[in-house]
Amino acid sequence: GENVEQHPSTLSVQEGDSAVIKCTYSDSASNYFPWYKQELGKGPQLIIDIRSNVGEKKDQRIAVTLNKTAKHFSLHITETQPEDSAVYFCAVNYGGSQGNLIFGKGTKLSVKP
Amino acid sequence: SQTIHQWPATLVQPVGSPLSLECTVEGTSNPNLYWYRQAAGRGLQLLFYSVGIGQISSEVPQNLSASRPQDRQFILSSKKLLLSDSGFYLCAWSVLTEAFFGQGTRLTVV
Repeated sequence: GENVEQHPSTLSVQEGDSAVIKCTYSDSASNYFPWYKQELGKGPQLIIDIRSNVGEKKDQRIAVTLNKTAKHFSLHITETQPEDSAVYFCAVNYGGSQGNLIFGKGTKLSVKP
Repeated sequence: SQTIHQWPATLVQPVGSPLSLECTVEGTSNPNLYWYRQAAGRGLQLLFYSVGIGQISSEVPQNLSASRPQDRQFILSSKKLLLSDSGFYLCAWSVLTEAFFGQGTRLTVV
């Protein structure tokens, strides 16, 4: 089955610095790669996603890059702010376009003011 | 717009008692529906998914079951809860690929 590895499990940065979280996957048929942000006590919220026909996507301070050859994709947050502190999950669709999402184990990001 | 409702938000139940968590989706038709569990400090584990009324697939063997009596209703149940059933349960829906989550139910089995 699909295997999604997410690193690091915890990340602490100073406000204003950049944060990078990386995920690797195993199913070459996967073509959808979303990132979710989960604040304490709440459900995960989709923040950005990328499909396999593009290599990079940006939305203000967040960006996602995809390397399909190497089967890894990364979340980049620039100019981090304290409100960026949360748990971030990557996910990969398993089984093609109609497949279920398989999630990484999450990264707890702490942004220190 | 689509919305997802999940209740209750928190639940404390004794060992051996039954469980029923409900999830409903508005604003979409024939969604895929999912139940996930999130143990403390761990990722999201897919428990069940459904592609239509009465169609349930289980991802892991466990003490829980799921049912989909209506197109936009998904129920997670147990006849007898175990201590190990404690966790944060999340319902989600998707059409094609993007998945959207409810606010979760914090279940504590005592």
